Amino acid sequence: GEDVEQSLFLSVREGDSSVINCTYTDSSSTYLYWYKQEPGAGLQLLTYIFSNMDMKQDQRLTVLLNKKDKHLSLRIADTQTGDSAIYFCAEWSGTYKYIFGTGTRLKVLA
Amino acid sequence: EAGVVQSPRYKIIEKKQPVAFWCNPISGHNTLYWYLQNLGQGPELLIRYENEEAVDDSQLPKDRFSAERLKGVDSTLKIQPAELGDSAVYLCASSEARGRADTQYFGPGTRLTVL
Repeated sequence: GEDVEQSLFLSVREGDSSVINCTYTDSSSTYLYWYKQEPGAGLQLLTYIFSNMDMKQDQRLTVLLNKKDKHLSLRIADTQTGDSAIYFCAEWSGTYKYIFGTGTRLKVLA
Repeated sequence: EAGVVQSPRYKIIEKKQPVAFWCNPISGHNTLYWYLQNLGQGPELLIRYENEEAVDDSQLPKDRFSAERLKGVDSTLKIQPAELGDSAVYLCASSEARGRADTQYFGPGTRLTVL
């Protein structure tokens, strides 16, 4: 079945890079997304990657996709305290729906 | 441009009471989604509308949950009667595309507490 897995927690120091990982199971996924959720708020789209790409860079964000291993990662360069939030990986599955991971809680230490 | 609007933001009710949530999507967005988000989990789809038609309601517990999207714009999600396990955040999202992969924009959610 369709499943998206993420590690639950990540803690980094301000100014360091953060790498959040995600694995998915649906090989027919066409788009993969990263969303950010701050406390008490909805999900904010950060970036997405089409399945025929292996990398996408957008300012401090770099998305890497290994389609063979069904592995997606989000790298945040120069992590700031304002980056502290929960990050969700999501795939657009072949069954016309988003499948979200459980989220990775990023804590940035000053 | 206004984003997805949801109300109320918070709701506390006693079990067995009814409750309703309202969503106003981004103007021009044909597709509307209701998600359930439990604490520590990612959102799970309850129902997807394309215009006024519910095209995917397979995850909606139809014995107590209902939804409508009259005129293909605003939508209401109702629970009657509410149970303790319904305590969660209910998220609404909208997108432009008709059923294909497209960016979803989320509202802030309604946090429901059932006592």
